[in-house]
This record gives sequence, structure tokens and C-alpha cells, in this order.
Amino acid sequence: QKEVEQNSGPLSVPEGAIASLNCTYSDRGSQSFFWYRQYSGKSPELIMFIYSNGDKEDGRFTAQLNKASQYVSLLIRDSQPSDSATYLCAVKALPISSGSARQLTFGSGTQLTVLP
Amino acid sequence: DGGITQSPKYLFRKEGQNVTLSCEQNLNHDAMYWYRQDPGQGLRLIYYSQIVNDFQKGDIAEGYSVSREKKESFPLTVTSAQKNPTAFYLCASSDTGTGNQPQHFGDGTRLSIL
Repeated sequence: QKEVEQNSGPLSVPEGAIASLNCTYSDRGSQSFFWYRQYSGKSPELIMFIYSNGDKEDGRFTAQLNKASQYVSLLIRDSQPSDSATYLCAVKALPISSGSARQLTFGSGTQLTVLP
Repeated sequence: DGGITQSPKYLFRKEGQNVTLSCEQNLNHDAMYWYRQDPGQGLRLIYYSQIVNDFQKGDIAEGYSVSREKKESFPLTVTSAQKNPTAFYLCASSDTGTGNQPQHFGDGTRLSIL
């Protein structure tokens, strides 16, 4: 079982619609959650991060976290063609012991296409 | 402007050759990371460093080596032992502390075999 799973897509939505991207994770000790956007041929750029259960909004983007169900989602309202990209979910678990560090685990990404 | 600079943007390796990818950051971040990305896949961690003169293996360290002699620099060497080096290599950095700090990425280096 993959530690972080995303639907690979492609996910297509019409311009102006809401795009919903989902991510599930296996480690219940996961502590922080990140969404990155990656345009074709480019490096990932951070969109949002969330640590607490519930919703976090930033402009057209809303991250939703449900630790009990072990999923995190990203909603993009009023989708634009410029939102067409691959969206990577990344999860960081709690440290194993004092002084150690846990690293990010990435999902394989969901490809989103916004149709004009 | 603060950021992460990776060079070169494109690199070609001959069989049996070692090549070194450069990563420099001026964000004053303590932690630096190297990832590999293959087409249609997520990022896999090669090596990371939380502090100068210390680094740890990630999930796919075999065939790679790193050094961290300065806070700003974290070069990655792809050795001849790495039999399938063709990939997009990404360097990232972050603050440490509570452990919740996000990682920020450089523009990447594309490595191909000649």
C-alpha cells in the first residue's frame, strides 16, 4: 500500500467550475500536509499547507483535512485554464524519536485540466 | 532575491562517468534535500541534510553521494553505480524547528544518458 495516494487523473473541469483533488495517507501519525502545483516541465511550487482538522482558505484555494478518515483535499474555486497542472500532495509524519526528523512523502500527483 | 539555484538545467552523462549537480540557496535554511522525479511519478527522496557536515540517506540513496560543507550548498553526485540516472532532479530547502515548515524547490536539473 502506498503511503500517500492520489488519483492520477486526468481530471477535467470546465472553466469556472470547482476542481476537487483528493489525497489519502496511511500513517496515522502524520502531522502536516502540503499541496504543491507542478506545471509540465517545471518544479513544484507550494500552494497551501494545513496542520489542523477542518478547512483552510487562501483565495480560490481551500484545503480540507480530516485526520480521522486520513484524507486531505484541495478545492479550487472558479477554475481557470492557468490552473491546469499536476497537483502533488505531500505528508509529513511525527518524528520517530526526539532529535530525529521525518521527511515529506509525496503522492504521485493528479493531473488537472481546466477546459476553456 | 532569495531562492534556490540549481545548475546546470540540463546535463548529459556518459556511461561510467560521475556527474555533479549543484544546489545553492540564500534563504538561510538549515535543511536541504535532493529528490528524483521520474515521468508521471511523485518525488522520491535521495538524501537530506538538517545541518552542515551532516546528511542522511533517503529512500533511494544507492548510486548517489552528497556533501554539506556549507549551509548554502548541497551538491549531489550521480555516480556510475547509478544505472538508471535519467530523471528530473530537484533540490529543496526548508527551515527546521517545529518540523512543519514547508519545503521550497529549485528549478531542477534534467539528467540524461548519452
